Amino acid sequence: AQRVTQPEKLLSVFKGAPVELKCNYSYSGSPELFWYVQYSRQRLQLLLRHISRESIKGFTADLNKGETSFHLKKPFAQEEDSAMYYCALPLTGGGNKLTFGTGTQLKVEL
Amino acid sequence: DVKVTQSSRYLVKRTGEKVFLECVQDMDHENMFWYRQDPGLGLRLIYFSYDVKMKEKGDIPEGYSVSREKKERFSLILESASTNQTSMYLCASSIAGPHQPQHFGDGTRLSIL
Repeated sequence: AQRVTQPEKLLSVFKGAPVELKCNYSYSGSPELFWYVQYSRQRLQLLLRHISRESIKGFTADLNKGETSFHLKKPFAQEEDSAMYYCALPLTGGGNKLTFGTGTQLKVEL
Repeated sequence: DVKVTQSSRYLVKRTGEKVFLECVQDMDHENMFWYRQDPGLGLRLIYFSYDVKMKEKGDIPEGYSVSREKKERFSLILESASTNQTSMYLCASSIAGPHQPQHFGDGTRLSIL
């Protein structure tokens, strides 16, 4: 079954430290993964997607098919990065349905 | 910019009531979704619609139904509300086609007493 695993419920880092939010997936094909972010009292929004290979707000994510991972990274954490982050995998069968991980709360401390 | 609007930000209802959650999108998107968001469980898909009057069950459809009479509006119905349906409900929409991102509303925090 297609599944996304985010092993950390909470990740706490100091400002300026590197950040890595882990995402592992189970899928036999070539997946197109997403990272979504939800800042406090704001709506869930797209952060980045594998297909566009872009860097948003300093975050990048590389697909590693050997490790079936799509970890989200940022070299220097900022206070405004504190948020809930979700990794998502499109489901087969069309319709742009997604399966989401359970989310990781990132807390950037001063 | 895509706008997905959910009719209520907070809602309090009683056990056994029939509850309607409304969602409207203004970008002519074909696909619409209803999720519930619970701490430690992430987002779970309740129902999905890929066209007017078309719907498909998600992972947790029990106790819920949906209605899509117009392309821009997707309603979630709790037939007989129960306390375990207390949750944050998120509506989303996307255009048809592969790899298209979903756009979310602000959510409705529903409490069933």
